[in-house]
Amino acid sequence: NAGVTQTPKFRVLKTGQSMTLLCAQDMNHEYMYWYRQDPGMGLRLIHYSVGEGTTAKGEVPDGYNVSRLKKQNFLLGLESAAPSQTSVYFCASSHRARGPGELFFGEGSRLTVL
Amino acid sequence: GENVEQHPSTLSVQEGDSAVIKCTYSDSASNYFPWYKKELGKRPQLIIDIRSNVGEKKDQRIAVTLNKTAKHFSLHITETQPEDSAVYFCAARLWNNDMRFGAGTRLTVKP
Repeated sequence: NAGVTQTPKFRVLKTGQSMTLLCAQDMNHEYMYWYRQDPGMGLRLIHYSVGEGTTAKGEVPDGYNVSRLKKQNFLLGLESAAPSQTSVYFCASSHRARGPGELFFGEGSRLTVL
Repeated sequence: GENVEQHPSTLSVQEGDSAVIKCTYSDSASNYFPWYKKELGKRPQLIIDIRSNVGEKKDQRIAVTLNKTAKHFSLHITETQPEDSAVYFCAARLWNNDMRFGAGTRLTVKP
């Protein structure tokens, strides 16, 4: 039982390049989230999903796209990376029982956009 | 928009003293309030949570209090130890299941 796994853990991009972050969870959780962590700004929600095939915008969705084709995977895409997207990205998942409760986080992915 | 305010941003205490971190939220429909601890290089982990039908919850040296009328909740750590040093995040679940986090408090416990 690996929990929540993110790949890659580190990536350096040039402005304008594209990339995809993959999040996988093996706990059969319905809810999945992508957050970014920036100094002094806490964890800000980018997009989230309440089930396979569904996605919703969070607090800071601009410049990102997501897909949830399979229940266990939640992909975060950057179509044209910008320096402002330099951050640490965390994926999380939670069970739906009585509404989402505890979030289980991945180890984080550090992205640098030059 | 809906947000969660967290204070202080940094907190330094002497080992053995207590630490208190406070959060306020704006969405009156919020009903779940977790606290996460993030150590350097590690993933955030849940340390305690409280639901809106409860005013206080305690787990050994950690306690959380909730005042729904005033829309604020607090984390209390007693008898602090150096291993309590970390960044602590409060959060509130909004009406649409979005989980909003505070900006974090960096707690330093001096030996």
